[in-house]
Amino acid sequence: DTGVSQDPRHKITKRGQNVTFRCDPISEHNRLYWYRQTLGQGPEFLTYFQNEAQLEKSRLLSDRFSAERPKGSFSTLEIQRTEQGDSAMYLCASSLAYRSYEQYFGPGTRLTVT
Amino acid sequence: AQRVTQPEKLLSVFKGAPVELKCNYSYSGSPELFWYVQYSRQRLQLLLRHISRESIKGFTADLNKGETSFHLKKPFAQEEDSAMYYCALRYGGATNKLIFGTGTLLAVQP
Repeated sequence: DTGVSQDPRHKITKRGQNVTFRCDPISEHNRLYWYRQTLGQGPEFLTYFQNEAQLEKSRLLSDRFSAERPKGSFSTLEIQRTEQGDSAMYLCASSLAYRSYEQYFGPGTRLTVT
Repeated sequence: AQRVTQPEKLLSVFKGAPVELKCNYSYSGSPELFWYVQYSRQRLQLLLRHISRESIKGFTADLNKGETSFHLKKPFAQEEDSAMYYCALRYGGATNKLIFGTGTLLAVQP
């Protein structure tokens, strides 16, 4: 296992288009987190899953955002009708439930909305 | 509201000089604080946590509840310490989500 992977690494899209990102966590990790990071800021929590259950969503996550983790393994984050303000680095992290402070981050997907 | 503040965007020191990266927090409960680090072209990773009270790569951090601070210190900086450092607060409840500061870029000059 080479760690958390994310695909794609970069995505350029036009405003109004839908995009979907994928995250593959470390295999034995039952917790999966999505964060968003904009320039000059630290990662901001978006949502998290324990196994397949989405247990919390940030108020940052508007109705245009949806995340799934259908079998408790990989997760997808979809953004509908993208806006220029959605341009950011989207980070995925995973952890064991009993060591949730130690989150292993993926390389991120950089989204640019033109 | 829970918040983590890192007042310095950039800290530049010479090799061998002491380093102190500042972190202040606001949290109504009992805080758990962490330092995460991101080296150039690498992923964000955990450096240390206050509960463990250990030294990692020569870095230490002490939680000061009176001053609501969790500064990261190293007595003698090395060039390989150059990286982006984020202070993080674990927010309690079921999520145990992390709240990050804005980060400080440490540049160690030769």
